[in-house]
Amino acid sequence: EPEVTQTPSHQVTQMGQEVILRCVPISNHLYFYWYRQILGQKVEFLVSFYNNEISEKSEIFDDQFSVERPDGSNFTLKIRSTKLEDSAMYFCASTRQMNTEAFFGQGTRLTVV
Amino acid sequence: GENVEQHPSTLSVQEGDSAVIKCTYSDSASNYFPWYKQELGKGPQLIIDIRSNVGEKKDQRIAVTLNKTAKHFSLHITETQPEDSAVYFCAGRHNQGGKLIFGQGTELSVKP
Repeated sequence: EPEVTQTPSHQVTQMGQEVILRCVPISNHLYFYWYRQILGQKVEFLVSFYNNEISEKSEIFDDQFSVERPDGSNFTLKIRSTKLEDSAMYFCASTRQMNTEAFFGQGTRLTVV
Repeated sequence: GENVEQHPSTLSVQEGDSAVIKCTYSDSASNYFPWYKQELGKGPQLIIDIRSNVGEKKDQRIAVTLNKTAKHFSLHITETQPEDSAVYFCAGRHNQGGKLIFGQGTELSVKP
């Protein structure tokens, strides 16, 4: 069964450092998303990406964040200068079309120290 | 803005009993409502969804009901088993598609 895969599963970084979280969406999906989940809280939307550009972003997704699809399979989330409050689980998701089912990856646990 | 509220935050049932989790949404333009199960350390897994053109959908022991007028939707799990223990999230999506807005989650514990 096709699935969304994310790497790494856990990333520890120093405050102020840059991190790149990687995702491989399901191969025939066209819409890609990043969500985050702070420990014990709800899953929050960060950004959606379609046709090589951001289609929507939340207030959380400020200038410190960027997304990229560097090739035909990977989808990345970069945080330029991490803050303590960026510590969370980050989930990648993809959909075949804009209004179809969303499938999530296993997540990357980011810990900023 | 669009909001989804979920209750209860925790739910404990005996094996074999039913469990019901309820959500309300604020945006009347929402038309798609999935439910996700999240086990410890894993990503959300889609278990059932419903679109606004139907009032109920069932898949074995899991069912979802939708009341568009009241902007409520609920997850029903019958004959619960210990492996149903997890955090369950409801979500809503606008009819234009795109992002999901999640509820706060319900931690379901099924006691053998």
